Amino acid sequence: EVQLVESGGGLVQPGGSLRLSCAASGFTFSSYWMHWVRQAPGKGLVWVSRINSDGSSTSYADSVKGRFTISRDNAKNTLYLQMNSLRAEDTAVYYCARLGRGCDYWGQGTLVTVSS
Amino acid sequence: EIVLTQSPGTLSLSPGERATLSCRASQSVSSSYLAWYQQKPGQAPRLLIYGASSRATGIPDRFSGSGSGTDFTLTISRLEPEDFAVYYCQQYGSSLLSPFGQGTRLEIK
Repeated sequence: EVQLVESGGGLVQPGGSLRLSCAASGFTFSSYWMHWVRQAPGKGLVWVSRINSDGSSTSYADSVKGRFTISRDNAKNTLYLQMNSLRAEDTAVYYCARLGRGCDYWGQGTLVTVSS
Repeated sequence: EIVLTQSPGTLSLSPGERATLSCRASQSVSSSYLAWYQQKPGQAPRLLIYGASSRATGIPDRFSGSGSGTDFTLTISRLEPEDFAVYYCQQYGSSLLSPFGQGTRLEIK
């Protein structure tokens, strides 16, 4: 069974940093591109970042470029999102998703709250 | 950068009716990389349609996708009570960015 489990969310002050993790199981992690998607409270889905299967190619939404870094450790079957210089508008549930034919599997999400 | 615009923002229908949701792209999108998702409150999104018209595993055949170029449509032929949710389109694939539309809320009339 495919499982994606996010962790690392929490309350952080503006300007602070946080690293999210997404532990993958039930499939060959190293064969799939992965995405991070976020959703502010009561708002729609917003694509954040993606990484290719071996980690050699990444891309970011303009709103997080230069502040967030996506990475992966295929030996540990884990996806990461390093978030620096956090702002109030980064407050959201962050989902990791596997890119198969579409984003076919999603984690349950981890809540990041940026507030003083 | 591709922008996806969904319409209507909210659609009010009754069970048994047909729902037609639109997703329009600011520039041409490869049909191979257009997906539709359903999201219910407190849940992660669920993939419904990939490649513009292919149903994901386990998705009932009342859900269908169509379109090409800049105009795509999700149709639900006969609404069931569990279909009332928010629906999103997304452009995915090997291009740099993978934006979502802003969503269409399908509510019970």
